[in-house]
Amino acid sequence: DAGITQSPRHKVTETGTPVTLRCHQTENHRYMYWYRQDPGHGLRLIHYSYGVKDTDKGEVSDGYSVSRSKTEDFLLTLESATSSQTSVYFCATGGGLSYNEQFFGPGTRLTVL
Amino acid sequence: QKEVEQNSGPLSVPEGAIASLNCTYSDRGSQSFFWYRQYSGKSPELIMSIYSNGDKEDGRFTAQLNKASQYVSLLIRDSQPSDSATYLCAGYTGTASKLTFGTGTRLQVTL
Repeated sequence: DAGITQSPRHKVTETGTPVTLRCHQTENHRYMYWYRQDPGHGLRLIHYSYGVKDTDKGEVSDGYSVSRSKTEDFLLTLESATSSQTSVYFCATGGGLSYNEQFFGPGTRLTVL
Repeated sequence: QKEVEQNSGPLSVPEGAIASLNCTYSDRGSQSFFWYRQYSGKSPELIMSIYSNGDKEDGRFTAQLNKASQYVSLLIRDSQPSDSATYLCAGYTGTASKLTFGTGTRLQVTL
């Protein structure tokens, strides 16, 4: 969806380094989500936000933190990256006109060496 | 038991045929279901939403929901090679604001 962008799109980093992924939306959607997608596991929710400065954990939140200081931006931080966090990360937004629907950004491919 | 389950496939159908993709869910309280299409290396794209029992049609796509039997299905009529992708089923299970995804069914439409 053109209204959701993610940066960077690709990143290679080393074990133990902090990493921040950014999601930016122009849809003015209330909800924002971070998922990771891995073979055999599908999409799993890491954290989500239901408003500015309002966040909650998903099913795989260990090792991740998030922040949302503005409606349009949702940051995901890997505090100390591990090889198990190598994955494709997707941001999604929801709570628009079709309230329950979620729309995905293009994704970030992260490799932790 | 996973909350949303799909057969991983691949499901292979000839061009022009009907592709039938199925999904079961465990939470009887689930109300809203969604089908996403994901091409290799791309992000999931929402193609159908369904909230009530019965059928919902949109072009070549029909979503079906049966709450008594706890299954959701997606029919693709007149399948095209461009329909070859992984189809993800998702539903709101448990907490209303969290979508749970199946692992996806890979569809191959052959010439």
